[in-house]
Amino acid sequence: AQKVTQAQTEISVVEKEDVTLDCVYETRDTTYYLFWYKQPPSGELVFLIRRNSFDEQNEISGRYSWNFQKSTSSFNFTITASQVVDSAVYFCALRENSGYSTLTFGKGTMLLVSP
Amino acid sequence: DTAVSQTPKYLVTQMGNDKSIKCEQNLGHDTMYWYKQDSKKFLKIMFSYNNKELIINETVPNRFSPKSPDKAHLNLHINSLELGDSAVYFCASSQDQVGQETQYFGPGTRLLVL
Repeated sequence: AQKVTQAQTEISVVEKEDVTLDCVYETRDTTYYLFWYKQPPSGELVFLIRRNSFDEQNEISGRYSWNFQKSTSSFNFTITASQVVDSAVYFCALRENSGYSTLTFGKGTMLLVSP
Repeated sequence: DTAVSQTPKYLVTQMGNDKSIKCEQNLGHDTMYWYKQDSKKFLKIMFSYNNKELIINETVPNRFSPKSPDKAHLNLHINSLELGDSAVYFCASSQDQVGQETQYFGPGTRLLVL
């Protein structure tokens, strides 16, 4: 069965600090997909990134970067020079390749960025 | 031009009532989903429909009945509401049902059962 663990329940940083949100996953499939979503205080779920299991290249998008390491089953998310607007709950999620598989979410990490 | 929309955004009702939540997507996707987010923010799949057919039905009480009149709509009807049904319900859609397809979420419906 697939499982996603986000061990950090809440992280507090001061603006301009860098912060890394951890995500560890478990799956028996060799092909799977990893996702990060952001849920700001307004409540909607915003898609951030999708990563395929066969593509271990790290990705950078502005201040956001993702480090995918199959050897440690981790897909960590780093925000560089954090801003108050980054305050949100961040969810890591996993879906196996089967059409009947479900998107399994971690419990989320609440990030609080103070000025 | 909202991609996935839900109505209502807020729903406050008494125990025992029946209520419906509507979802529409204008992305041309084939697959739609309902998720429940509890008070601890945990997100869990409830149902998934592909081309109007039910493909995923997690262990949800049969008081919950989804209906998909067409590919663009997936509604959720809840009978005999209970206090434990209070949660945020999210609708989502994806191009199709395969694992690689990104799911895009609606704004959520905040249900409070008194």
